[in-house]
Amino acid sequence: ETGVTQTPRHLVMGMTNKKSLKCEQHLGHNAMYWYKQSAKKPLELMFVYSLEERVENNSVPSRFSPECPNSSHLFLHLHTLQPEDSALYLCASSQEIAANTGELFFGEGSRLTVL
Amino acid sequence: AQSVTQLDSHVSVSEGTPVLLRCNYSSSYSPSLFWYVQHPNKGLQLLLKYTSAATLVKGINGFEAEFKKSETSFHLTKPSAHMSDAAEYFCVVSGYSSASKIIFGSGTRLSIRP
Repeated sequence: ETGVTQTPRHLVMGMTNKKSLKCEQHLGHNAMYWYKQSAKKPLELMFVYSLEERVENNSVPSRFSPECPNSSHLFLHLHTLQPEDSALYLCASSQEIAANTGELFFGEGSRLTVL
Repeated sequence: AQSVTQLDSHVSVSEGTPVLLRCNYSSSYSPSLFWYVQHPNKGLQLLLKYTSAATLVKGINGFEAEFKKSETSFHLTKPSAHMSDAAEYFCVVSGYSSASKIIFGSGTRLSIRP
């Protein structure tokens, strides 16, 4: 198995739907992250969890709701999204909160399309 | 404040010729610098990292980068491009324990001509 696994790889949803993205890391890391990657834009950090506690929330709209039940799993719950939320959502993990290392291990992403 | 600028959004080289992807950074302290690669429909993978040890850093797949403090640069090079090098490359600067201080560049798309 790869180190960080994301499901589903592709998701199409309407603006009134509720769906969830799942991330699982098999590296024994303590920190997990959600990033948004849109075309022509730098990666945007959305949420950071350390030992299942949210430590950063970068002004993300409330229609995105993260959940970290344990240090190996991270979810992103989606509801009433907008078409501009269509993007590649990347999950990453690191040993600690990337303390002076910045070394992140990424999953392959979930490609979200909002109709 | 930190920032990172990738000077070229797209670079195209012929197979077998050298690759140069340029990155300049701004930081008020000694930063850690990284290059990540992203192949189509894949996540990002660490190519190499500089964390105040040797200024010439060797990474995977024959890539290397040189930290030049006087020029605030961290350019990525490879002597001979291979078709499999076609991907998006991200320069990253980091220096604090906060994850939001990991700053990604906007990326350089590398194309390889046969």
